[in-house]
Amino acid sequence: VQLVESGGGLIQPGGSLRLSCAASGFSVSSSYMNWVRQAPGEGLEWVSVIYSGGSTYYADSVKGRFTISRDNSKNTLYLQMNSLKAEDTAMFYCARSVVVAGPFPFWGQGTLVTVSS
Amino acid sequence: SYVLTQPPSVSVAPGETARITCGGNNIGSKSVHWYQQKPGQAPVLVISYDSDRPSGIPERFSGSNSGNTATLTISRVEAGDEADYSCQVWDSSSDHWVFGGGTKLTVL
Repeated sequence: VQLVESGGGLIQPGGSLRLSCAASGFSVSSSYMNWVRQAPGEGLEWVSVIYSGGSTYYADSVKGRFTISRDNSKNTLYLQMNSLKAEDTAMFYCARSVVVAGPFPFWGQGTLVTVSS
Repeated sequence: SYVLTQPPSVSVAPGETARITCGGNNIGSKSVHWYQQKPGQAPVLVISYDSDRPSGIPERFSGSNSGNTATLTISRVEAGDEADYSCQVWDSSSDHWVFGGGTKLTVL
Protein backbone atom coordinates (compact mmCIF):
# COMPACT_ATOMS: atom_id res chain seq x y z
CA VAL A 1 0.00 0.00 0.00
CA GLN A 2 1.41 3.36 -1.04
CA LEU A 3 -0.01 6.86 -1.13
CA VAL A 4 1.86 9.66 -2.89
CA GLU A 5 0.59 13.23 -2.72
CA SER A 6 1.46 15.98 -5.18
CA GLY A 7 0.24 19.36 -6.34
CA GLY A 8 1.22 21.53 -3.42
CA GLY A 9 3.02 24.82 -3.78
CA LEU A 10 2.89 28.56 -3.23
CA ILE A 11 -0.39 30.18 -4.17
CA GLN A 12 -1.79 33.67 -3.66
CA PRO A 13 -4.83 34.27 -1.45
CA GLY A 14 -8.02 33.74 -3.42
CA GLY A 15 -6.33 31.30 -5.76
CA SER A 16 -7.04 27.67 -6.55
CA LEU A 17 -4.99 24.49 -6.34
CA ARG A 18 -5.67 20.81 -6.97
CA LEU A 19 -3.93 18.20 -4.88
CA SER A 20 -3.53 14.62 -6.05
CA CYS A 21 -2.94 11.41 -4.12
CA ALA A 22 -1.82 8.50 -6.27
CA ALA A 23 -2.59 5.14 -4.69
CA SER A 24 -1.02 1.76 -5.30
CA GLY A 25 -1.55 -1.65 -3.80
CA PHE A 26 -5.28 -1.16 -3.31
CA SER A 27 -8.29 0.45 -4.97
CA VAL A 28 -9.38 3.94 -3.92
CA SER A 29 -12.88 3.13 -5.12
CA SER A 30 -13.32 0.49 -2.41
CA SER A 31 -11.75 2.51 0.39
CA TYR A 32 -12.65 5.45 2.58
CA MET A 33 -10.21 8.13 1.50
CA ASN A 34 -9.48 11.20 3.57
CA TRP A 35 -7.56 14.44 3.43
CA VAL A 36 -5.99 15.64 6.67
CA ARG A 37 -3.97 18.83 7.05
CA GLN A 38 -1.51 20.19 9.56
CA ALA A 39 -0.68 23.88 9.79
CA PRO A 40 2.91 24.70 10.77
CA GLY A 41 3.44 23.92 14.44
CA GLU A 42 -0.17 22.88 14.88
CA GLY A 43 -2.12 19.65 15.32
CA LEU A 44 -3.88 17.45 12.81
CA GLU A 45 -7.11 18.71 11.24
CA TRP A 46 -9.42 16.44 9.28
CA VAL A 47 -10.49 18.08 6.01
CA SER A 48 -12.65 15.72 3.98
CA VAL A 49 -13.62 12.12 3.25
CA ILE A 50 -15.03 10.29 0.26
CA TYR A 51 -16.75 6.98 0.94
CA SER A 52 -16.50 3.93 -1.25
CA GLY A 53 -20.09 4.61 -2.27
CA GLY A 54 -19.22 8.15 -3.31
CA SER A 55 -20.65 10.16 -0.41
CA THR A 56 -18.51 13.10 0.62
CA TYR A 57 -18.15 15.10 3.83
CA TYR A 58 -16.19 18.21 4.72
CA ALA A 59 -14.91 20.07 7.75
CA ASP A 60 -16.84 23.28 8.35
CA SER A 61 -13.65 25.28 7.74
CA VAL A 62 -13.46 24.18 4.09
CA LYS A 63 -17.06 23.39 3.16
CA GLY A 64 -18.07 25.23 0.02
CA ARG A 65 -14.45 25.91 -0.96
CA PHE A 66 -12.88 22.44 -1.22
CA THR A 67 -14.09 19.46 -3.26
CA ILE A 68 -12.91 15.89 -2.81
CA SER A 69 -13.11 13.47 -5.72
CA ARG A 70 -11.46 10.39 -7.16
CA ASP A 71 -10.61 8.93 -10.55
CA ASN A 72 -11.02 5.19 -10.32
CA SER A 73 -9.29 4.60 -13.65
CA LYS A 74 -6.19 6.40 -12.38
CA ASN A 75 -6.62 5.11 -8.82
CA THR A 76 -6.11 8.66 -7.64
CA LEU A 77 -7.74 10.87 -5.01
CA TYR A 78 -8.05 14.62 -5.52
CA LEU A 79 -8.72 17.74 -3.48
CA GLN A 80 -9.77 20.81 -5.43
CA MET A 81 -9.16 23.88 -3.29
CA ASN A 82 -10.71 27.21 -4.25
CA SER A 83 -10.79 30.63 -2.60
CA LEU A 84 -7.67 29.79 -0.65
CA LYS A 85 -6.87 31.75 2.50
CA ALA A 86 -3.68 32.26 4.46
CA GLU A 87 -5.05 29.97 7.14
CA ASP A 88 -5.18 27.12 4.63
CA THR A 89 -1.37 27.01 4.70
CA ALA A 90 -0.55 23.48 5.81
CA MET A 91 0.91 20.11 4.99
CA PHE A 92 -1.86 18.09 3.37
CA TYR A 93 -1.91 14.33 3.84
CA CYS A 94 -4.13 11.74 2.21
CA ALA A 95 -5.06 8.84 4.44
CA ARG A 96 -6.91 5.60 3.89
CA SER A 97 -9.40 3.84 6.09
CA VAL A 98 -10.65 0.37 5.22
CA VAL A 99 -13.96 0.64 7.03
CA VAL A 100 -16.42 3.45 7.59
CA ALA A 101 -15.51 5.42 10.72
CA GLY A 102 -12.38 3.28 11.03
CA PRO A 103 -8.85 4.45 11.87
CA PHE A 104 -6.25 5.60 9.32
CA PRO A 105 -3.55 2.93 9.11
CA PHE A 106 -2.19 4.28 5.84
CA TRP A 107 -0.90 7.78 5.18
CA GLY A 108 1.02 9.51 2.43
CA GLN A 109 4.04 11.68 3.12
CA GLY A 110 2.16 14.90 2.48
CA THR A 111 2.33 17.87 0.13
CA LEU A 112 2.86 21.41 1.38
CA VAL A 113 0.46 24.20 0.48
CA THR A 114 1.50 27.78 1.21
CA VAL A 115 -1.01 30.56 0.72
CA SER A 116 0.75 33.90 0.68
CA SER A 117 1.06 37.03 -1.38
CA SER B 1 -19.16 20.21 17.32
CA TYR B 2 -17.34 17.55 19.29
CA VAL B 3 -14.14 18.64 21.01
CA LEU B 4 -11.17 16.54 22.15
CA THR B 5 -8.82 18.00 24.75
CA GLN B 6 -5.22 16.86 25.23
CA PRO B 7 -2.47 18.28 27.45
CA PRO B 8 0.06 20.17 25.33
CA SER B 9 3.00 18.34 26.80
CA VAL B 10 3.99 15.37 28.93
CA SER B 11 7.51 14.68 30.19
CA VAL B 12 8.85 11.39 31.49
CA ALA B 13 12.23 9.85 32.28
CA PRO B 14 13.47 6.85 30.30
CA GLY B 15 12.11 3.59 31.67
CA GLU B 16 9.14 5.26 33.32
CA THR B 17 5.48 5.17 32.25
CA ALA B 18 3.90 7.96 30.19
CA ARG B 19 0.16 8.56 30.25
CA ILE B 20 -1.39 10.87 27.69
CA THR B 21 -5.04 11.76 28.14
CA CYS B 22 -7.75 12.71 25.67
CA GLY B 23 -10.86 14.28 27.11
CA GLY B 24 -14.26 14.49 25.47
CA ASN B 25 -17.92 14.48 26.43
CA ASN B 26 -18.82 10.81 27.05
CA ILE B 27 -15.83 9.76 24.97
CA GLY B 28 -16.18 6.30 26.49
CA SER B 29 -19.11 5.72 24.13
CA LYS B 30 -16.87 6.32 21.10
CA SER B 31 -13.94 4.44 19.58
CA VAL B 32 -10.65 6.29 20.05
CA HIS B 33 -7.64 5.98 17.80
CA TRP B 34 -4.13 7.25 18.63
CA TYR B 35 -1.37 8.44 16.31
CA GLN B 36 2.33 9.04 16.84
CA GLN B 37 4.03 11.69 14.73
CA LYS B 38 7.75 12.43 14.69
CA PRO B 39 9.14 15.66 13.20
CA GLY B 40 8.97 15.75 9.42
CA GLN B 41 7.08 12.47 9.21
CA ALA B 42 3.51 11.40 8.57
CA PRO B 43 1.42 10.16 11.50
CA VAL B 44 1.55 6.49 12.45
CA LEU B 45 -1.40 4.63 13.96
CA VAL B 46 -0.31 3.19 17.32
CA ILE B 47 -3.66 2.30 18.94
CA SER B 48 -7.02 1.69 17.29
CA TYR B 49 -10.48 1.11 18.74
CA ASP B 50 -9.44 2.25 22.23
CA SER B 51 -6.91 -0.50 22.93
CA ASP B 52 -6.00 -2.51 19.82
CA ARG B 53 -2.36 -2.47 18.78
CA PRO B 54 -1.66 -2.60 15.02
CA SER B 55 0.94 -5.01 13.77
CA GLY B 56 4.45 -3.78 14.45
CA ILE B 57 3.56 -1.54 17.39
CA PRO B 58 5.41 -2.55 20.57
CA GLU B 59 3.47 -4.06 23.46
CA ARG B 60 4.65 -1.11 25.54
CA PHE B 61 1.85 0.90 23.90
CA SER B 62 -1.64 0.41 25.33
CA GLY B 63 -4.90 2.30 25.51
CA SER B 64 -8.03 2.61 27.58
CA ASN B 65 -11.27 4.57 27.33
CA SER B 66 -13.97 5.21 29.88
CA GLY B 67 -16.31 8.00 30.89
CA ASN B 68 -14.97 11.32 29.67
CA THR B 69 -11.31 10.33 29.27
CA ALA B 70 -9.30 8.09 26.96
CA THR B 71 -5.70 7.34 27.86
CA LEU B 72 -2.67 6.27 25.86
CA THR B 73 -0.11 4.55 28.09
CA ILE B 74 3.48 4.00 27.07
CA SER B 75 5.40 1.72 29.44
CA ARG B 76 9.17 1.60 29.79
CA VAL B 77 9.53 4.76 27.75
CA GLU B 78 12.48 4.96 25.37
CA ALA B 79 14.15 7.95 23.75
CA GLY B 80 12.68 6.88 20.42
CA ASP B 81 9.16 7.38 21.79
CA GLU B 82 9.66 11.13 21.84
CA ALA B 83 7.00 12.45 19.46
CA ASP B 84 3.63 14.16 19.18
CA TYR B 85 0.63 11.97 20.01
CA SER B 86 -2.90 12.74 18.81
CA CYS B 87 -6.24 11.12 19.59
CA GLN B 88 -9.06 10.79 17.05
CA VAL B 89 -12.74 9.95 17.13
CA TRP B 90 -15.59 9.79 14.64
CA ASP B 91 -18.40 12.20 15.45
CA SER B 92 -21.42 10.39 14.05
CA SER B 93 -23.72 13.35 14.73
CA SER B 94 -21.89 15.42 12.11
CA ASP B 95 -20.17 12.72 10.00
CA HIS B 96 -16.89 14.42 10.84
CA TRP B 97 -13.59 13.11 12.11
CA VAL B 98 -12.20 14.96 15.11
CA PHE B 99 -8.57 15.10 16.25
CA GLY B 100 -7.29 16.23 19.61
CA GLY B 101 -4.81 19.08 19.64
CA GLY B 102 -1.88 16.75 20.18
CA THR B 103 0.51 16.13 23.07
CA LYS B 104 4.26 16.45 22.80
CA LEU B 105 5.96 13.66 24.70
CA THR B 106 9.42 14.62 25.93
CA VAL B 107 11.79 11.95 27.21
CA LEU B 108 14.00 13.58 29.80
